Amino acid sequence: KNQVEQSPQSLIILEGKNCTLQCNYTVSPFSNLRWYKQDTGRGPVSLTIMTFSENTKSNGRYTATLDADTKQSSLHITASQLSDSASYICVVSAYGNNRLAFGKGNQVVVIP
Amino acid sequence: GAGVSQSPSNKVTEKGKDVELRCDPISGHTALYWYRQSLGQGLEFLIYFQGNSAPDKSGLPSDRFSAERTGGSVSTLTIQRTQQEDSAVYLCASSLGLQGISGELFFGEGSRLTVL
Repeated sequence: KNQVEQSPQSLIILEGKNCTLQCNYTVSPFSNLRWYKQDTGRGPVSLTIMTFSENTKSNGRYTATLDADTKQSSLHITASQLSDSASYICVVSAYGNNRLAFGKGNQVVVIP
Repeated sequence: GAGVSQSPSNKVTEKGKDVELRCDPISGHTALYWYRQSLGQGLEFLIYFQGNSAPDKSGLPSDRFSAERTGGSVSTLTIQRTQQEDSAVYLCASSLGLQGISGELFFGEGSRLTVL
């Protein structure tokens, strides 16, 4: 079973609308959680990194939240733009483990 | 360099041939990672280097896969006797420190391998 589960697997939203992506994890002991954006045919690019003590972090129109007690994170995209069409990958790191645990990604398509 | 550079960006090969994929990390980054991304799947860890040594090779899917890093910089991932199931995007990433710490991880654009 994957240690990082993301939902929904894919979604289509209208330009200008907001959306929220979910990430649940079982990785332990928790070190940090990252959200990456991966455009089609490109490498992933970091959006946010959050440690245990952080429960929200923003990067422009992207806002990530973290609840380390319930082991859940969300990524909120505000006022979506066509350029937001991409896969958003949740990645969790455990202390003492040099392997990151990757989710399969949320595929977002923004339509005009 | 300014970012992680990978080559070739695309490689089409025949089953049974050997391929070499190259990764040039960000200058000064001591940690280097190789991942494989198949269609619709999450990133699969292959191997990582700290300097020139590879403490964890257990992610390599078979003995046909090998990797090396020289001079604490460029790394090469070699796949021998390629099979169709090796078709995927191979991503390289580098960071100043190890992933277990909150080090920023920078990815290259990937090498897309297609085995016919």
